[in-house]
Amino acid sequence: GESVGLHLPTLSVQEGDNSIINCAYSNSASDYFIWYKQESGKGPQFIIDIRSNMDKRQGQRVTVLLNKTVKHLSLQIAATQPGDSAVYFCAENINQAGTALIFGKGTTLSVSS
Amino acid sequence: GAGVSQSPRYKVAKRGQDVALRCDPISGHVSLFWYQQALGQGPEFLTYFQNEAQLDKSGLPSDRFFAERPEGSVSTLKIQRTQQEDSAVYLCASRRHGGGAGNEQFFGPGTRLTVL
Repeated sequence: GESVGLHLPTLSVQEGDNSIINCAYSNSASDYFIWYKQESGKGPQFIIDIRSNMDKRQGQRVTVLLNKTVKHLSLQIAATQPGDSAVYFCAENINQAGTALIFGKGTTLSVSS
Repeated sequence: GAGVSQSPRYKVAKRGQDVALRCDPISGHVSLFWYQQALGQGPEFLTYFQNEAQLDKSGLPSDRFFAERPEGSVSTLKIQRTQQEDSAVYLCASRRHGGGAGNEQFFGPGTRLTVL
């Protein structure tokens, strides 16, 4: 089975499959987490966020899970489409004025028809 | 509505040249961040402005990097005497409020700087 926290630099799926992208964050003090999608030649685009007082949040076709015990974040994409192909980054933030996002390693998602 | 815009989108400089990269944040956004993204990596923080005040510049890699936001809107990132290791995409992001987490940072398309 899949190891919790296993980060894969690339993920290839078939159209219609569900995708799961994992991320390990670094700072126990982080209390806000965001997933970004970045297409080639573009800036990161917000997908979904979650605060540390939650362990799950759902959006349209996407779900973010937060496990603070092991400092792990995951993004689930339902019914993956070719337009979902991009690099996905998780980012963490601390609830202080002006704090910058700390980005994790990206995962390149490739969706084939 | 208009998002964050950056110019130029692409910049090629010879080593030793000075460059200036511009960011137009979303109108009314208080916070502005600059990030550097090396090829294949995630963005890394450079500097932060709240209105016209540069409150954090801890991510600037050297004193060759300088940023300003004199009127609290448009910001310019200047790199003096560019080096090959400065080659990267420079991203600007703005956020509506000044403090606290939980409100989204909106990113521009970036400026890809190539130093020859």
